[in-house]
Amino acid sequence: QQQVRQSPQSLTVWEGETAILNCSYEDSTFDYFPWYHQFPGESPALLIAIRPVSNKKEDGRFTIFFNKREKKFSLHIADSQPGDSATYFCAAGDYAQGLTFGLGTRVSVFP
Amino acid sequence: DPKIIQKPKYLVAVTGSEKILICEQYLGHNAMYWYRQSAKKPLEFMFSYSYQKLMDNQTASSRFQPQSSKKNHLDLQITALKPDDSATYFCASSQAGTANQAPLFGEGTRLSVL
Repeated sequence: QQQVRQSPQSLTVWEGETAILNCSYEDSTFDYFPWYHQFPGESPALLIAIRPVSNKKEDGRFTIFFNKREKKFSLHIADSQPGDSATYFCAAGDYAQGLTFGLGTRVSVFP
Repeated sequence: DPKIIQKPKYLVAVTGSEKILICEQYLGHNAMYWYRQSAKKPLEFMFSYSYQKLMDNQTASSRFQPQSSKKNHLDLQITALKPDDSATYFCASSQAGTANQAPLFGEGTRLSVL
């Protein structure tokens, strides 16, 4: 049973466009929602995270939008750059328990 | 310098053998985790420890045993290795209970079981 669903599986955008990645979850006890990116041969690196008390979190070109009622959250990458090309994972969890990850979105940004 | 040290970086083992994956973190975090990543199951949570106590175990097999000798150590012992155990094993840590509790990951140990 996949508790965190992520879409699309892959995404291609042109440099300068906004990439939008989507996730949904099932467990209402989840209270922490981070996004990670991973480059080939490297470990996942934390990008940005949000808690349900907020419905939006920004950090530079990266923004999380969170909808608690619909149990959905998304990552927007504004002004996408070729260096943003990577696999992006959403995750959900709570204190003391591990994160449940989505299956990932492979993002390709073309100049 | 990496703050979460995993050893070894690469490991080749034969089916049926036993291996120990080492993890030490120097971030002062109170929680440590093991995750596994393979082509079949990207980023799968295995264990979480807080203050050297097991908090959550999502690994069905008893062949996987975490070992915490110090609060900044969390090793992973794997017995009776199978080819399906081939994966990259990531150790992670966080300061659980605070506003920012997203785990930071080590560089991983890439295990191949022949």
